[in-house]
Amino acid sequence: EAGVAQSPRYKIIEKRQSVAFWCNPISGHATLYWYQQILGQGPKLLIQFQNNGVVDDSQLPKDRFSAERLKGVDSTLKIQPAKLEDSAVYLCASSLGPGGETQYFGPGTRLLVL
Amino acid sequence: AQSVTQLDSHVSVSEGTPVLLRCNYSSSYSPSLFWYVQHPNKGLQLLLKYTSAATLVKGINGFEAEFKKSETSFHLTKPSAHMSDAAEYFCVVSDYVDYKLSFGAGTTVTVRA
Repeated sequence: EAGVAQSPRYKIIEKRQSVAFWCNPISGHATLYWYQQILGQGPKLLIQFQNNGVVDDSQLPKDRFSAERLKGVDSTLKIQPAKLEDSAVYLCASSLGPGGETQYFGPGTRLLVL
Repeated sequence: AQSVTQLDSHVSVSEGTPVLLRCNYSSSYSPSLFWYVQHPNKGLQLLLKYTSAATLVKGINGFEAEFKKSETSFHLTKPSAHMSDAAEYFCVVSDYVDYKLSFGAGTTVTVRA
């Protein structure tokens, strides 16, 4: 079974530029999550989708971050404009459903903002 | 609200010796508890999870963890460390209200030859 796919794996940009990350969850998984992992810390949930609807985006900095999952499968996370403190690993995870199902994580995208 | 505290930021062991990673949790409801491992440049992998069944949980690669409600702990152990166990380990808690995962800060394990 293929795992969660993410691209790109690494990205270096300058502050105020924009960047987008892509995630393809495990086939059949209805729930998709984006996490931010700052160096030395555990991952923090940014947004959770159930199919193509947003379940929880309370921790998403909406002035600069946006995410979509238009067809209920792939998802993109965008940052515009980026700040230095956005340097982190962005992890995508998926699960069969939202009710305590095991989350499976992708390899992450490592972002460096200069 | 739930949270976890990983008591050691870094653990160093010799190959073949036991590994102990300590985790205390806080939860208003009956929690689910997990241990995830993250190897360099790899995604998080689930080692094991506790969901109110047996208090001693066996996971992959010889790891196990014991849920102790009286101590609010969920420590991870392995009898004999292998070089491939060198990684970052995260203790995670969720509850039956919103099922959100709350991660600890992580413990880095180094294995000496």
